[in-house]
Amino acid sequence: ETGVTQSPTHLIKTRGQQVTLRCSSQSGHNTVSWYQQALGQGPQFIFQYYREEENGRGNFPPRFSGLQFPNYSSELNVNALELDDSALYLCASSLAGPPRGAKNIQYFGAGTRLSVL
Amino acid sequence: AQTVTQSQPEMSVQEAETVTLSCTYDTSESDYYLFWYKQPPSRQMILVIRQEAYKQQNATENRFSVNFQKAAKSFSLKISDSQLGDAAMYFCAYRRLMEYGNKLVFGAGTILRVKS
Repeated sequence: ETGVTQSPTHLIKTRGQQVTLRCSSQSGHNTVSWYQQALGQGPQFIFQYYREEENGRGNFPPRFSGLQFPNYSSELNVNALELDDSALYLCASSLAGPPRGAKNIQYFGAGTRLSVL
Repeated sequence: AQTVTQSQPEMSVQEAETVTLSCTYDTSESDYYLFWYKQPPSRQMILVIRQEAYKQQNATENRFSVNFQKAAKSFSLKISDSQLGDAAMYFCAYRRLMEYGNKLVFGAGTILRVKS
Protein backbone atom coordinates (compact mmCIF):
# COMPACT_ATOMS: atom_id res chain seq x y z
CA GLU A 1 0.00 0.00 0.00
CA THR A 2 1.29 3.45 -0.96
CA GLY A 3 -0.97 5.56 1.22
CA VAL A 4 -2.50 7.26 -1.81
CA THR A 5 -6.24 6.76 -2.00
CA GLN A 6 -8.61 7.60 -4.84
CA SER A 7 -12.36 7.78 -4.99
CA PRO A 8 -14.58 6.58 -6.41
CA THR A 9 -13.23 3.27 -7.66
CA HIS A 10 -15.56 3.14 -10.64
CA LEU A 11 -17.77 5.73 -12.26
CA ILE A 12 -20.18 5.70 -15.18
CA LYS A 13 -21.19 8.95 -16.87
CA THR A 14 -22.86 9.95 -20.10
CA ARG A 15 -21.43 12.15 -22.81
CA GLY A 16 -21.62 15.85 -22.01
CA GLN A 17 -21.72 15.40 -18.25
CA GLN A 18 -19.15 16.63 -15.77
CA VAL A 19 -17.17 14.48 -13.34
CA THR A 20 -14.99 15.05 -10.27
CA LEU A 21 -12.40 12.52 -9.17
CA ARG A 22 -10.68 12.72 -5.80
CA CYS A 23 -7.26 11.85 -4.49
CA SER A 24 -5.84 11.80 -0.99
CA SER A 25 -2.07 12.09 -1.01
CA GLN A 26 0.36 10.12 1.09
CA SER A 27 1.03 11.81 4.41
CA GLY A 28 3.74 14.47 4.15
CA HIS A 29 3.57 14.75 0.35
CA ASN A 30 3.04 18.21 -1.17
CA THR A 31 2.87 17.40 -4.88
CA VAL A 32 0.21 15.54 -6.80
CA SER A 33 0.16 14.47 -10.44
CA TRP A 34 -2.73 13.11 -12.47
CA TYR A 35 -2.44 10.63 -15.33
CA GLN A 36 -4.93 9.20 -17.82
CA GLN A 37 -4.46 5.56 -18.79
CA ALA A 38 -6.53 4.38 -21.74
CA LEU A 39 -7.15 0.65 -22.02
CA GLY A 40 -4.01 -1.21 -23.08
CA GLN A 41 -1.83 1.90 -23.03
CA GLY A 42 0.64 3.58 -20.73
CA PRO A 43 -0.41 6.48 -18.50
CA GLN A 44 -0.38 9.96 -20.03
CA PHE A 45 0.48 12.97 -17.86
CA ILE A 46 -2.44 15.37 -17.42
CA PHE A 47 -1.09 17.94 -14.95
CA GLN A 48 0.65 18.42 -11.63
CA TYR A 49 -0.05 20.56 -8.59
CA TYR A 50 2.45 21.83 -6.08
CA ARG A 51 1.33 23.83 -3.06
CA GLU A 52 -2.11 24.40 -4.60
CA GLU A 53 -0.77 25.75 -7.91
CA GLU A 54 -0.66 23.98 -11.26
CA ASN A 55 3.00 23.77 -12.26
CA GLY A 56 3.00 21.49 -15.27
CA ARG A 57 0.48 20.32 -17.83
CA GLY A 58 0.40 17.69 -20.53
CA ASN A 59 -1.40 17.81 -23.86
CA PHE A 60 -4.94 17.89 -22.47
CA PRO A 61 -7.66 20.47 -23.24
CA PRO A 62 -8.82 23.07 -20.69
CA ARG A 63 -11.94 21.05 -19.87
CA PHE A 64 -9.55 18.99 -17.75
CA SER A 65 -8.93 21.03 -14.61
CA GLY A 66 -7.80 20.40 -11.09
CA LEU A 67 -7.51 21.62 -7.57
CA GLN A 68 -5.17 20.95 -4.71
CA PHE A 69 -6.27 21.74 -1.18
CA PRO A 70 -4.24 22.94 1.83
CA ASN A 71 -4.19 19.38 3.16
CA TYR A 72 -2.66 18.36 -0.21
CA SER A 73 -5.66 16.31 -1.29
CA SER A 74 -6.63 16.91 -4.88
CA GLU A 75 -9.48 16.84 -7.39
CA LEU A 76 -9.55 16.24 -11.12
CA ASN A 77 -12.53 17.77 -12.90
CA VAL A 78 -13.53 16.94 -16.44
CA ASN A 79 -16.27 18.95 -18.16
CA ALA A 80 -18.26 18.07 -21.27
CA LEU A 81 -17.29 14.43 -21.15
CA GLU A 82 -16.48 12.69 -24.42
CA LEU A 83 -16.45 8.98 -25.20
CA ASP A 84 -12.63 9.07 -25.48
CA ASP A 85 -12.40 10.21 -21.87
CA SER A 86 -13.18 6.64 -20.83
CA ALA A 87 -10.02 5.52 -19.05
CA LEU A 88 -8.34 4.75 -15.75
CA TYR A 89 -7.35 7.97 -13.99
CA LEU A 90 -4.33 7.67 -11.74
CA CYS A 91 -3.20 10.04 -9.03
CA ALA A 92 0.39 10.08 -7.81
CA SER A 93 1.83 11.99 -4.87
CA SER A 94 5.38 12.90 -3.98
CA LEU A 95 7.42 15.25 -1.85
CA ALA A 96 9.02 17.91 -4.00
CA GLY A 97 12.70 18.34 -3.32
CA PRO A 98 16.08 18.64 -5.05
CA PRO A 99 16.04 17.10 -8.53
CA ARG A 100 18.30 14.27 -7.45
CA GLY A 101 16.38 13.63 -4.29
CA ALA A 102 14.86 10.25 -3.59
CA LYS A 103 11.87 12.14 -2.26
CA ASN A 104 10.82 12.91 -5.81
CA ILE A 105 9.61 9.35 -6.27
CA GLN A 106 5.93 9.23 -7.11
CA TYR A 107 3.56 6.89 -5.31
CA PHE A 108 0.40 5.95 -7.13
CA GLY A 109 -3.14 5.27 -6.07
CA ALA A 110 -5.23 2.41 -7.50
CA GLY A 111 -7.06 4.75 -9.83
CA THR A 112 -10.63 5.58 -10.79
CA ARG A 113 -12.12 3.72 -13.74
CA LEU A 114 -14.30 6.18 -15.69
CA SER A 115 -16.68 4.92 -18.33
CA VAL A 116 -18.40 7.45 -20.59
CA LEU A 117 -21.47 6.16 -22.43
CA ALA B 1 9.81 15.66 -26.66
CA GLN B 2 10.88 12.54 -24.87
CA THR B 3 9.46 9.18 -25.94
CA VAL B 4 9.63 5.71 -24.41
CA THR B 5 9.20 2.55 -26.47
CA GLN B 6 8.49 -0.95 -25.22
CA SER B 7 8.61 -3.26 -28.21
CA GLN B 8 7.34 -6.40 -26.46
CA PRO B 9 3.57 -6.27 -25.94
CA GLU B 10 3.64 -9.57 -24.09
CA MET B 11 6.22 -11.92 -22.56
CA SER B 12 5.99 -15.29 -20.84
CA VAL B 13 8.36 -16.94 -18.40
CA GLN B 14 8.40 -20.19 -16.51
CA GLU B 15 8.38 -19.93 -12.76
CA ALA B 16 11.96 -19.76 -11.35
CA GLU B 17 13.36 -18.77 -14.74
CA THR B 18 14.78 -15.41 -15.83
CA VAL B 19 13.13 -12.94 -18.18
CA THR B 20 14.25 -9.64 -19.67
CA LEU B 21 11.90 -6.83 -20.65
CA SER B 22 13.12 -4.27 -23.18
CA CYS B 23 12.80 -0.51 -23.20
CA THR B 24 14.30 2.18 -25.39
CA TYR B 25 13.85 5.92 -25.05
CA ASP B 26 14.62 9.05 -26.92
CA THR B 27 15.86 12.24 -25.30
CA SER B 28 18.29 15.07 -25.92
CA GLU B 29 18.91 15.46 -22.20
CA SER B 30 22.10 14.16 -20.61
CA ASP B 31 20.78 13.74 -17.10
CA TYR B 32 17.50 12.07 -16.23
CA TYR B 33 15.82 9.26 -14.31
CA LEU B 34 14.52 5.98 -15.66
CA PHE B 35 12.03 3.76 -13.87
CA TRP B 36 10.31 0.43 -14.13
CA TYR B 37 6.83 0.29 -12.65
CA LYS B 38 4.68 -2.80 -12.16
CA GLN B 39 0.89 -2.65 -12.48
CA PRO B 40 -0.87 -5.80 -11.25
CA PRO B 41 -4.60 -6.43 -11.81
CA SER B 42 -5.25 -4.33 -8.69
CA ARG B 43 -4.25 -1.38 -10.95
CA GLN B 44 -1.93 0.26 -8.41
CA MET B 45 1.35 1.27 -10.04
CA ILE B 46 4.26 0.00 -7.95
CA LEU B 47 7.84 1.22 -8.34
CA VAL B 48 10.14 -1.71 -9.10
CA ILE B 49 13.48 -0.02 -9.69
CA ARG B 50 14.98 3.30 -10.74
CA GLN B 51 18.18 4.39 -12.42
CA GLU B 52 19.87 7.77 -12.47
CA ALA B 53 21.45 8.44 -15.84
CA TYR B 54 24.63 9.92 -14.40
CA LYS B 55 25.35 6.68 -12.54
CA GLN B 56 27.08 4.10 -14.71
CA GLN B 57 26.43 1.28 -12.30
CA ASN B 58 23.27 -0.66 -13.06
CA ALA B 59 20.62 -0.55 -10.35
CA THR B 60 19.56 -3.74 -8.58
CA GLU B 61 16.70 -4.49 -6.18
CA ASN B 62 16.71 -8.09 -4.97
CA ARG B 63 15.60 -10.21 -7.96
CA PHE B 64 15.26 -7.19 -10.22
CA SER B 65 18.14 -5.59 -12.08
CA VAL B 66 18.54 -3.32 -15.06
CA ASN B 67 20.90 -3.12 -17.99
CA PHE B 68 21.31 0.59 -18.65
CA GLN B 69 23.05 1.43 -21.92
CA LYS B 70 23.11 5.22 -22.06
CA ALA B 71 24.67 5.60 -25.49
CA ALA B 72 22.16 3.19 -26.99
CA LYS B 73 19.32 4.74 -24.94
CA SER B 74 18.34 1.31 -23.75
CA PHE B 75 17.02 0.34 -20.32
CA SER B 76 16.04 -3.31 -19.93
CA LEU B 77 14.68 -5.01 -16.81
CA LYS B 78 15.84 -8.47 -15.80
CA ILE B 79 13.71 -10.50 -13.41
CA SER B 80 15.51 -13.47 -11.91
CA ASP B 81 13.87 -16.48 -10.24
CA SER B 82 10.46 -15.40 -11.54
CA GLN B 83 7.53 -15.86 -9.20
CA LEU B 84 3.79 -16.11 -9.84
CA GLY B 85 3.40 -12.75 -8.10
CA ASP B 86 5.56 -11.10 -10.76
CA ALA B 87 2.75 -11.49 -13.30
CA ALA B 88 1.63 -7.97 -14.18
CA MET B 89 1.91 -5.17 -16.71
CA TYR B 90 5.36 -3.57 -16.60
CA PHE B 91 5.94 0.02 -17.65
CA CYS B 92 9.20 1.74 -18.41
CA ALA B 93 9.15 5.45 -17.60
CA TYR B 94 11.38 8.50 -18.06
CA ARG B 95 11.67 11.70 -16.06
CA ARG B 96 13.78 14.74 -16.77
CA LEU B 97 16.14 15.48 -13.91
CA MET B 98 16.13 19.25 -13.88
CA GLU B 99 12.43 19.79 -14.42
CA TYR B 100 10.82 21.03 -11.27
CA GLY B 101 8.10 18.53 -10.97
CA ASN B 102 7.58 14.92 -11.58
CA LYS B 103 6.17 14.40 -15.04
CA LEU B 104 6.73 10.78 -16.03
CA VAL B 105 6.71 9.70 -19.66
CA PHE B 106 5.58 6.07 -19.92
CA GLY B 107 5.95 3.40 -22.54
CA ALA B 108 2.98 1.34 -23.71
CA GLY B 109 3.78 -1.50 -21.33
CA THR B 110 4.64 -5.20 -21.49
CA ILE B 111 2.33 -7.86 -20.09
CA LEU B 112 4.35 -10.47 -18.22
CA ARG B 113 2.80 -13.90 -17.75
CA VAL B 114 4.39 -16.39 -15.35
CA LYS B 115 3.73 -20.09 -15.92
CA SER B 116 3.76 -22.58 -13.08
